[in-house]
Amino acid sequence: GEDVEQSLFLSVREGDSSVINCTYTDSSSTYLYWYKQEPGAGLQLLTYIFSNMDMKQDQRLTVLLNKKDKHLSLRIADTQTGDSAIYFCAENIAAGNKLTFGGGTRVLVKP
Amino acid sequence: DTEVTQTPKHLVMGMTNKKSLKCEQHMGHRAMYWYKQKAKKPPELMFVYSYEKLSINESVPSRFSPECPNSSLLNLHLHALQPEDSALYLCASSQAPGGDYGYTFGSGTRLTVV
Repeated sequence: GEDVEQSLFLSVREGDSSVINCTYTDSSSTYLYWYKQEPGAGLQLLTYIFSNMDMKQDQRLTVLLNKKDKHLSLRIADTQTGDSAIYFCAENIAAGNKLTFGGGTRVLVKP
Repeated sequence: DTEVTQTPKHLVMGMTNKKSLKCEQHMGHRAMYWYKQKAKKPPELMFVYSYEKLSINESVPSRFSPECPNSSLLNLHLHALQPEDSALYLCASSQAPGGDYGYTFGSGTRLTVV
């Protein structure tokens, strides 16, 4: 079945690292994504990882995938106030052509 | 052009009105999607079009009627909506069905049904 879960809230000090965690249940996921949504806006694709990869780094963003535990994380280095937003992880099951989202983690960056 | 453009950005409609939401992309993507997002909730899939054909309808009520006139355009026709249909409606596209390289989302239409 499809079920993607995230913690609801994360508070972090500016300049620190943020780690947002996500668990999923469907082992047939082909791609896993991280999206950012600012208030009143659409979803911005931050990064994605293919299911046969363990790690992907893109500037301040590091994605770790533990396929055995079905655990995905997003680390944001040197978190800035502009990083305050809701972050959604999502899995894509190619056979179904569906993107299933987690509930979103609200990240608040304090000066 | 690397964007998905949605119009209008805001829409207020009565329960007896007929209106349409529009979505456009010029990235050559061959799959397009409608999602509905309620406040403080994740987006929920409504419809998927692959190569201009409807491939997924997630049991959406018939008062929502999608249309894909060509590979760049996706419409959502609205008729006799209910107040609980008020939400942010997001359009997305991907290079091909399956979402390789990710899905690009528009900024959404915020719909209020009165």
